[in-house]
Amino acid sequence: EAQVTQNPRYLITVTGKKLTVTCSQNMNHEYMSWYRQDPGLGLRQIYYSMNVEVTDKGDVPEGYKVSRKEKRNFPLILESPSPNQTSLYFCASSSLNSPLHFGNGTRLTVT
Amino acid sequence: DAKTTQPPSMDCAEGRAANLPCNHSTISGNEYVYWYRQIHSQGPQYIIHGLKNNETNEMASLIITEDRKSSTLILPHATLRDTAVYYCIVRVFGTQGGSEKLVFGKGTKLTVNP
Repeated sequence: EAQVTQNPRYLITVTGKKLTVTCSQNMNHEYMSWYRQDPGLGLRQIYYSMNVEVTDKGDVPEGYKVSRKEKRNFPLILESPSPNQTSLYFCASSSLNSPLHFGNGTRLTVT
Repeated sequence: DAKTTQPPSMDCAEGRAANLPCNHSTISGNEYVYWYRQIHSQGPQYIIHGLKNNETNEMASLIITEDRKSSTLILPHATLRDTAVYYCIVRVFGTQGGSEKLVFGKGTKLTVNP
């Protein structure tokens, strides 16, 4: 089944403790991206990747890192999480001829 | 990337057609109009997309005005399960050499009432 898989689904952590949210897709898509969703603000793009080793900032990249060493994986790294990064995160992938496919989300709480 | 404007909320009676408008007055010639919906806090789900011709699939119909500055998503017979937030975005289809920096607006909260 074609899908985008994010892990974990829920994560509670403390300020400053590095964490990684994984994202994997099995559709051989070139494009992958991360979004965060906050009440009243809708979906905002954090980072995106056009292909392996090609990444670029979205609209809200501060405090986040990404890497794209393999085509199928696009992890989101928070080196020093802060409470304002408490949010619902979505990973998405697409290709030249397909719409965005979204994962089921990761709900992150930073205390 | 062109930005979109949608009404914050709409209501529709079950079994009736739901018509969701979207303005994208700064759309450029190679940008497609995409519609997604998000049910509760699940991942957004693709519905339909189009460039300039009207499109129909098993979920919905998309009507794009001739000047391409606005579009309407039509759910022909809305059900309670169609209650969701609907997002309209514009995207270059096949962005080789371009970017995938996409802008989602706040969407339209559609409530289908029994």
